[in-house]
Amino acid sequence: QKEVEQNSGPLSVPEGAIASLNCTYSDRGSQSFFWYRQYSGKSPELIMFIYSNGDKEDGRFTAQLNKASQYVSLLIRDSQPSDSATYLCAVLAYNAGNMLTFGGGTRLMVKP
Amino acid sequence: EAGVTQFPSHSVIEKGQTVTLRCDPISGHDNLYWYRRVMGKEIKFLLHFVKESKQDESGMPNNRFLAERTGGTYSTLKVQPAELEDSGVYFCASSRNSYEQYFGPGTRLTVT
Repeated sequence: QKEVEQNSGPLSVPEGAIASLNCTYSDRGSQSFFWYRQYSGKSPELIMFIYSNGDKEDGRFTAQLNKASQYVSLLIRDSQPSDSATYLCAVLAYNAGNMLTFGGGTRLMVKP
Repeated sequence: EAGVTQFPSHSVIEKGQTVTLRCDPISGHDNLYWYRRVMGKEIKFLLHFVKESKQDESGMPNNRFLAERTGGTYSTLKVQPAELEDSGVYFCASSRNSYEQYFGPGTRLTVT
C-alpha cells in the first residue's frame, strides 16, 4: 500500500464547475498536509496547506482535512482552463523528519 | 523574492560519467531539500540540510550520490558514476520553517 494515494485521473470538469481532488494517507503520525500544483515541465507550486481538521479556504481553493479518516481533499471552485495541471498531495510527519511524502498526483483537465 | 533556482535545467550523460547538479535556495531559507522523481513514480525525498549540516539523508539511494552545502548557501548534488536508473527529475526545495517547502524547476537528468 502506498503511503499517500491519489487517483491519477485525468479528472475532467467543465469550466465553472467545482473540481474535487482527493488524497488518502497511511501514516497516522502525519501532521501537515500540502497541495502542490504542477504544470507540465514546471516546478511544483505550493497552493494550499492545512494542519487542523476541518476546512481552510483561500480564494477559489478549499482544503479539507479529516485525520480520523486519514483523508485530505482540495476543492477548486469556478474551475478555469488555467487550472488544468497535475495536483500533488504531500504529507509531512514530524516524527519522520521534515521530508514530504508525495502522492502520484491527479491530472485535472478543465474544459472550456 | 527570487525563487529556488537549479542548474542545469537538463543534463544528458553517459553511464559511468559524473554529473553535478546545483541548487540555490530562496535567500534566508536555512532548510534545503533534495527530491527526485523517476519516470512513472512519485516524487521521493533524498536529503535535508539545515544550513550546512545534513539533517537527514535517509533517502539517498546509495554512495554514488554525494550532496554538499558548504557555507550554508547553495547546494550541490553529485552523482558518480551515473547509472541508467539515476535518470529522472531532481528537485530542490527550500523552507524557512521546515514546513512549507518551495520547489525549484528541477534538473532533468538523462543517463544513456
